[in-house]
Amino acid sequence: ETGVTQTPRHLVMGMTNKKSLKCEQHLGHNAMYWYKQSAKKPLELMFVYSLEERVENNSVPSRFSPECPNSSHLFLHLHTLQPEDSALYLCASSQPGGGRTNTEAFFGQGTRLTVV
Amino acid sequence: ELKVEQNPLFLSMQEGKNYTIYCNYSTTSDRLYWYRQDPGKSLESLFVLLSNGAVKQEGRLMASLDTKARLSTLHITAAVHDLSATYFCAVDMWMDSNYQLIWGAGTKLIIKP
Repeated sequence: ETGVTQTPRHLVMGMTNKKSLKCEQHLGHNAMYWYKQSAKKPLELMFVYSLEERVENNSVPSRFSPECPNSSHLFLHLHTLQPEDSALYLCASSQPGGGRTNTEAFFGQGTRLTVV
Repeated sequence: ELKVEQNPLFLSMQEGKNYTIYCNYSTTSDRLYWYRQDPGKSLESLFVLLSNGAVKQEGRLMASLDTKARLSTLHITAAVHDLSATYFCAVDMWMDSNYQLIWGAGTKLIIKP
């Protein structure tokens, strides 16, 4: 148990579907992140929320839409995805301190997404 | 350009041998992380290195940080099969008015019995 829980663990969706990924952290952290991990590519930071406000977007396509209703929950809403969006999507949280927005990140188990 | 480079990207070795994974980064940082990822699993934090000269050890793994050289090493002593995994380093870097974690590409380590 990592303290960061993601659901679902696996998701297969068509290109016209709308789905959402959910992340919940029980660590009392106030920063949460979405990462994308594709085969043979470095981890890509998609979104950062600190104190429930988005602080980083990293030019992610609009077919990915994040939502952070409170410091414990993070969603990634998906619509009209492409096959190349198939990847492992990882949620992480951290507890920034000393004026820094990043310290040690704790990761969820990830959602393996396949777009068909 | 902000880059974090790991070397090697793939390593196959025998049990009982020693080896070192290198992590170079392109700009000033005093905070570096090592993570482990097993196939199909998430990332597990191994070490947090917070200052120049920091050295941390856990079992057969030892990590060090040289901020002047912008280099961290992850040394494996007398490798065992259970250490087979992909190892990532990540560096805190100041960009776009925030600190962000910049990730290396990972080193896939296979340890053969």
